[in-house]
Amino acid sequence: ETGVTQSPTHLIKTRGQQVTLRCSSQSGHNTVSWYQQALGQGPQFIFQYYREEENGRGNFPPRFSGLQFPNYSSELNVNALELDDSALYLCATSMYYTDTQYFGPGTRLTVL
Amino acid sequence: GQQVMQIPQYQHVQEGEDFTTYCNSSTTLSNIQWYKQRPGGHPVFLIQLVKSGEVKKQKRLTFQFGEAKKNSSLHITATQTTDVGTYFCAGQNTGFQKLVFGTGTRLLVSP
Repeated sequence: ETGVTQSPTHLIKTRGQQVTLRCSSQSGHNTVSWYQQALGQGPQFIFQYYREEENGRGNFPPRFSGLQFPNYSSELNVNALELDDSALYLCATSMYYTDTQYFGPGTRLTVL
Repeated sequence: GQQVMQIPQYQHVQEGEDFTTYCNSSTTLSNIQWYKQRPGGHPVFLIQLVKSGEVKKQKRLTFQFGEAKKNSSLHITATQTTDVGTYFCAGQNTGFQKLVFGTGTRLLVSP
């Protein structure tokens, strides 16, 4: 198993609420990428942080935002939750942004 | 935008049979990676291929990267029930950071 951890494991929210998901990076990894995986689909890239700066973004609206901290842990924030935001949210860390990415166990978000 | 397709979507085999999944990208890739995701789990990195025409083996698994660096395949010889899961390829383009995942192939192995 990788050293990437995510919290919480599961989360239930209602439409319109806000949520913060957390990811702790594997030791020595300075890059964090976030993905959304809807049921039965492959992960979709949300954005990536490299040394605390956003380093690329996928086709997600601005209500998806993130942060990376000096210890390289990261947060994903989603505002104004919609039903379609229900998914498994995965973070993946790497030593450099072009290196192999190692995934955490994910946070299962359900929006009612 | 870039698309990565995989076929088949689903395959059910008897234990001991072989299995192959194919991955095709709409654009040339700098590298391709393969992941396995068990039911209820998260993607687990299997391998990365970088060179045109590259072939790598891991025990019963054989991975290939096409000459044009737009397609790849994963072949499992003599499947076992522990091979059950969804296999994803994921491509990366030069100068881009994101992994573009394929649609996945779900493998079911019956004893």
